[in-house]
Amino acid sequence: SQKIEQNSEALNIQEGKTATLTCNYTNYSPAYLQWYRQDPGRGPVFLLLIRENEKEKRKERLKVTFDTTLKQSLFHITASQPADSATYLCALANQAGTALIFGKGTTLSVSS
Amino acid sequence: GAGVSQSPSNKVTEKGKDVELRCDPISGHTALYWYRQSLGQGLEFLIYFQGNSAPDKSGLPSDRFSAERTGGSVSTLTIQRTQQEDSAVYLCASSPNSGSAETQYFGPGTRLLVL
Repeated sequence: SQKIEQNSEALNIQEGKTATLTCNYTNYSPAYLQWYRQDPGRGPVFLLLIRENEKEKRKERLKVTFDTTLKQSLFHITASQPADSATYLCALANQAGTALIFGKGTTLSVSS
Repeated sequence: GAGVSQSPSNKVTEKGKDVELRCDPISGHTALYWYRQSLGQGLEFLIYFQGNSAPDKSGLPSDRFSAERTGGSVSTLTIQRTQQEDSAVYLCASSPNSGSAETQYFGPGTRLLVL
């Protein structure tokens, strides 16, 4: 079955630095991969979707890469701010396309 | 515009009681999903609706769990004879189209505590 792993449960960085989060997947070749942000007590919020034929996608200070050979996606936040502190989840559609399979998330803490 | 809403926001119940959780998706969204998030765990898929039918209910953990959707809109997740292990946040999401698990819009969740 498909499996997603987000390597770090927690990541602590200083304001202004670049945060890099990793998502690895196995037993699957997804057509696209998504990243979501979840704040405490709230539902996940969609951030970015990257397709298998896209190496990189950017949105403001966010950048996502997708390496289908390594079966890995990297999520970068440049010039990080304390307001970026949250849990970030990567997600793939299951093979039937009927649901998203989520990683457990990486909790990012940006200190000022 | 209005997002996905869920009610109640919190529910405390006693073991063995039945509970109903409600989800109001974004208007016009044909796909609706239920997920469960336990402490320290990732989101776990429960059931997917396309319109009023549920082509994928493979994530429902036991026959104590059921869900329905009416009018292509509101959905209710029912848990019968609740157990303590059912304690979790139940999240509902919707998306505009059918056929693929595309970008999903989540509600705030219902926090269920079974004593």
